[in-house]
Amino acid sequence: EVQLVESGGGLVQPGGSLRLSCAASGFTFSSYAMSWVRQAPGKGLEWVSDMSGSGGGSHYADSVKGRFTISRDNSKNTLYLQMNSLRAEDTAVYYCAKDQQLVNPYYFDSWGQGTLVTVSS
Amino acid sequence: QSVLTQPPSVSGAPGQRVTISCTGNNSNIGAGYDVHWYQHLPGKAPKLLIYVNSNRPSGVPDRFSGSKSGTSASLAITGLQTEDEADYYCQSYDSSLSGPVVFGGGTKLTVL
Repeated sequence: EVQLVESGGGLVQPGGSLRLSCAASGFTFSSYAMSWVRQAPGKGLEWVSDMSGSGGGSHYADSVKGRFTISRDNSKNTLYLQMNSLRAEDTAVYYCAKDQQLVNPYYFDSWGQGTLVTVSS
Repeated sequence: QSVLTQPPSVSGAPGQRVTISCTGNNSNIGAGYDVHWYQHLPGKAPKLLIYVNSNRPSGVPDRFSGSKSGTSASLAITGLQTEDEADYYCQSYDSSLSGPVVFGGGTKLTVL
């Protein structure tokens, strides 16, 4: 059974940093691209970033480009999201999602339960 | 403003049929990219409902069906049940510079 467990969320001040983690199990982690998707309070789903299975390629939404960095450690079956220069509008539940393909994002067949990030002073 | 446009809400009585539309443009759905649908219950992980326009993952009832034509796609739910009350999102690939993955704004389904 595929399991994705996010951690690392919390309260952070504007301009601060946070690193999210997503521990994966139940599948060959390195064989699939992975994404981060967020949902701000009262809003819909917003794709944030993705990384290929090998870690050689990644993409970012315009809203986070230059501030967020996605990475993965295939030896630890873990996906990360380093979030810097955080803004109030980054407040959201962040979901880790498993893609159906190795390289480019396609669709997400498994999701984690999410971790809440609150940016506030 | 989402790249893919969905109605904010739809409703129906138990047993009825509802459809949820998802309208894109020529850089996503109209360019031939596939559409996928997710069901999201509050406080839960989103769940893949339909993939590649019209395919159901194992375990998803056949009351749920998807279709795609031109720059739009639709999700149909027949025989509405109270447990279908949730938010539904379409998702596709976009070739513009804003990023490869786009979601619709979401549709809240209320079962009356």
